[in-house]
Amino acid sequence: GENVEQHPSTLSVQEGDSAVIKCTYSDSASNYFPWYKQELGKRPQLIIDIRSNVGEKKDQRIAVTLNKTAKHFSLHITETQPEDSAVYFCAASKSGAGANSKLTFGKGITLSVRP
Amino acid sequence: NAGVTQTPKFRVLKTGQSMTLLCAQDMNHEYMYWYRQDPGMGLRLIHYSVGEGTTAKGEVPDGYNVSRLKKQNFLLGLESAAPSQTSVYFCASRNPGQETQYFGPGTRLLVL
Repeated sequence: GENVEQHPSTLSVQEGDSAVIKCTYSDSASNYFPWYKQELGKRPQLIIDIRSNVGEKKDQRIAVTLNKTAKHFSLHITETQPEDSAVYFCAASKSGAGANSKLTFGKGITLSVRP
Repeated sequence: NAGVTQTPKFRVLKTGQSMTLLCAQDMNHEYMYWYRQDPGMGLRLIHYSVGEGTTAKGEVPDGYNVSRLKKQNFLLGLESAAPSQTSVYFCASRNPGQETQYFGPGTRLLVL
């Protein structure tokens, strides 16, 4: 089955700096890669996703890049703010596989933005 | 539109007790999922359902049972709770062809 790994497990940045969180996946058939943000005590919420036919996707201060050859994808947050502090989960699945399209999550990275 | 809701929010059980967690969604989603979240372990799939009356095992199904008698509800049962089942349980749902999963607020379970 799919194996998704995130590194580092914690990341601390100064407010205003950029943060990059990387994930690797094992199954070359995976083609859908979402990122979820989970604030303390809250539910995970999708912040951005990318499909394998696209190399990069941006949404305001957030971007995701995908390297299919190396089987890794990264979340980039620019101009970080204290409210960006949260746990970020990456995931992978085989979109279009119907019932077999299940998300495999990484273990999560705790991002702390220092004011 | 409430989205995905979970009942209860928090529960304390003694080892050996049973309980049922309820997930309800009002988005007419076909697919529903139960995950558990443990520190440092991310989200792991327990069971899932691709439609009313159907269920399937996920990554960590042992010690849990599920039922999907109505499309909008997905129940997770613990027949004989164990301390290893202390966790936060999240339900999620989506429709076929739409990859985004919508999560419920979670149920925090403590088994003593």
